[in-house]
Amino acid sequence: NAGVTQTPKFQVLKTGQSMTLQCAQDMNHNSMYWYRQDPGMGLRLIYYSASEGTTDKGEVPNGYNVSRLNKREFSLRLESAAPSQTSVYFCAEGTPTGAGTEAFFGQGTRLTVV
Amino acid sequence: RKEVEQDPGPFNVPEGATVAFNCTYSNSASQSFFWYRQDCRKEPKLLMSVYSSGNEDGRFTAQLNRASQYISLLIRDSKLSDSATYLCVVTRSGGSYIPTFGRGTSLIVHP
Repeated sequence: NAGVTQTPKFQVLKTGQSMTLQCAQDMNHNSMYWYRQDPGMGLRLIYYSASEGTTDKGEVPNGYNVSRLNKREFSLRLESAAPSQTSVYFCAEGTPTGAGTEAFFGQGTRLTVV
Repeated sequence: RKEVEQDPGPFNVPEGATVAFNCTYSNSASQSFFWYRQDCRKEPKLLMSVYSSGNEDGRFTAQLNRASQYISLLIRDSKLSDSATYLCVVTRSGGSYIPTFGRGTSLIVHP
C-alpha cells in the first residue's frame, strides 16, 4: 500500500509499557483516522484528525493519545499498555470523491499486550 | 444501538449462487455509503460506493433506501474468490467526514 504506511506490522508489549504506532500517507489529504478491530466488534474509531494540527476523540479513545504534527503523519500512542488493548490497529486516510469520503487503509499493526 | 448494523453471518453458499447482504444505519444525517471487502488478516478495501439511484459493478449491485435507512449488496454468480467479510460503511459529517463501519458479514463460497 503505497498510499498509507503503518509501522510496525507486529508488536508484543508487556503490560505498562508504552509505544507509538506510526502512520504516514502520501496522498496529501486532510483527514486521517485510527481504528482498532477486535473479533466480533468490527472497526471502532479511536481518534481522527480532520486536518493538520487538529485531533478529536472517536468511539474508544481511552488509553490512547494521538499526534498530527504535519499533514502526512498521524501517530497513535499507548502510554501504559493494557491487555485490553490487544487488537489490530488500522490507520486510514480520507479520500474525497464524488461519492463522499472514502477511507483508504494501511496494512495494520497487530499488537499483543501480555 | 450501534450506528451501523449488519448480520454477521456466516453466509455459506455454493459457487454460482446469488447472495444478498443488508445493512441498516441509524443516523438519518448520514451522507455517503460504501461497501468494503476485508480478507482474512488484511486491511479493508473499498468494493464499491452506493449511490441513491443504485449502482452495479459487474456481478455486484448496491442499493440505498434512504427512507428505510438501509443499504444492500447483491452478489450474482458467486465465485470462490468472493469469500471474505463485507463491511457496510456510512459516512456522516459533523464538521469532519467520519466513516463508521458495521461489524461485517462473513461470506463463504464453497465448491
